[in-house]
Amino acid sequence: QEQLQESGPGLVKPSETLSLTCAVYGGSINSFYWNWIRQSPGKGLEWIGFVHHSGSTNYNPSLESRVTMSIDKSKNQFSLRLNSVTAADTAVYFCARQPLTYYDVDGYPVRYGFDIWGQGIAVTVSS
Amino acid sequence: IQLTQSPSFLSASVGDRVTITCRASQDISSYSAWYQQKPGTAPKLLIYTASALQTGVPSRFRGSGSGTEFTLTISSLQPEDFATYYCQQLDSYPRTFGQGTKVELK
Repeated sequence: QEQLQESGPGLVKPSETLSLTCAVYGGSINSFYWNWIRQSPGKGLEWIGFVHHSGSTNYNPSLESRVTMSIDKSKNQFSLRLNSVTAADTAVYFCARQPLTYYDVDGYPVRYGFDIWGQGIAVTVSS
Repeated sequence: IQLTQSPSFLSASVGDRVTITCRASQDISSYSAWYQQKPGTAPKLLIYTASALQTGVPSRFRGSGSGTEFTLTISSLQPEDFATYYCQQLDSYPRTFGQGTKVELK
């Protein structure tokens, strides 16, 4: 059973860089989209972006100027960097896997949701 | 693309049939998904591509809809189903989620 596990500091100072890693256990990092999502206290879910197994990325425009995602196939893990953080970046950060689109017997594209999630890591931005 | 769920809160009893609606601000074809989230845990995928049941999810969960309106139905609410439910659009970037529907015990 594939599992994801986030790691990183739980406390980051304002204006500094938040760095998180998601390790993939029990499966390959190839052939998937690897996503980061966050959830502010008492709030809903915000998609931050993904890194594809090829290394290509797609970021939420609301965060794009501050986000960098990368993938390390040799370590079976991927990472998130968010710079110039403020209190508004305080949240639980999740990593999640999305399988690639496939085509059913009728040729219809089937898009999976985020089928495996890490347990989440709480990050507080405070001095 | 904005997703609006209704209702935001729902009180129900065990055995009730529950329906949650998600409306998209533009046509997303059938590219929606539904998640269940319990306090302190990550969301769990229930439904993808509007109506496909994720492996291991009980058949009392059913998704339907296309275009701009989608529905998640729980045919007979069980004690373990009290949670918050989110819809998501998978049609375009950035991926977005609805604001959530909290299902509480009446």
